[in-house]
Amino acid sequence: AQSVTQLGSHVSVSEGALVLLRCNYSSSVPPYLFWYVQYPNQGLQLLLKYTSAATLVKGINGFEAEFKKSETSFHLTKPSAHMSDAAEYFCAVSEGRDDKIIFGKGTRLHILP
Amino acid sequence: DAGVIQSPRHEVTEMGQEVTLRCKPISGHNSLFWYRQTMMRGLELLIYFNNNVPIDDSGMPEDRFSAKMPNASFSTLKIQPSEPRDSAVYFCASGSGPNYGYTFGSGTRLTVV
Repeated sequence: AQSVTQLGSHVSVSEGALVLLRCNYSSSVPPYLFWYVQYPNQGLQLLLKYTSAATLVKGINGFEAEFKKSETSFHLTKPSAHMSDAAEYFCAVSEGRDDKIIFGKGTRLHILP
Repeated sequence: DAGVIQSPRHEVTEMGQEVTLRCKPISGHNSLFWYRQTMMRGLELLIYFNNNVPIDDSGMPEDRFSAKMPNASFSTLKIQPSEPRDSAVYFCASGSGPNYGYTFGSGTRLTVV
């Protein structure tokens, strides 16, 4: 069964610094992988997805993620953090054989002025 | 496109009462998901439907929870009787397959007192 582990429930970075949010997955078949963002009191919004095309995926708001099969990782990065990036970020996996998407426990990103 | 529409946005009810949460998926989407989000347990998949048919309800916590999808444009999640530990944010999401990702509603914040 597929699963996702997000390392660090809270991450703090300074404004302008690199953002790195870590995600490792477990899947018995080539997975679909997703990053979602949740702002306070809102639903989840899709940031980007990996669907077996290019391993480096670009998303909205300057975020990108790289699929590394050998490391079973799908880490999310952004070169320069903005205050508006403060939110909770969820990594998710789907095996594609059915429609289920399983989410990690989330990482709350704090941006320091 | 109005997105996934959930109602009500907030619900406060007394223990023992019946609660019904509603969801209107995006037109044309053939999969619908109900998730529950709490601080302790994160995002939990409760049940999902494909073409209005329940596919996996293994996440439904107890018999007090039930979900229906009578047609492609409407789904309900019912809790009867409600208990304080059911307090959470309940999200509905819809989609057309994992390679496209899923669109979430804004959620229903349920408080059972």
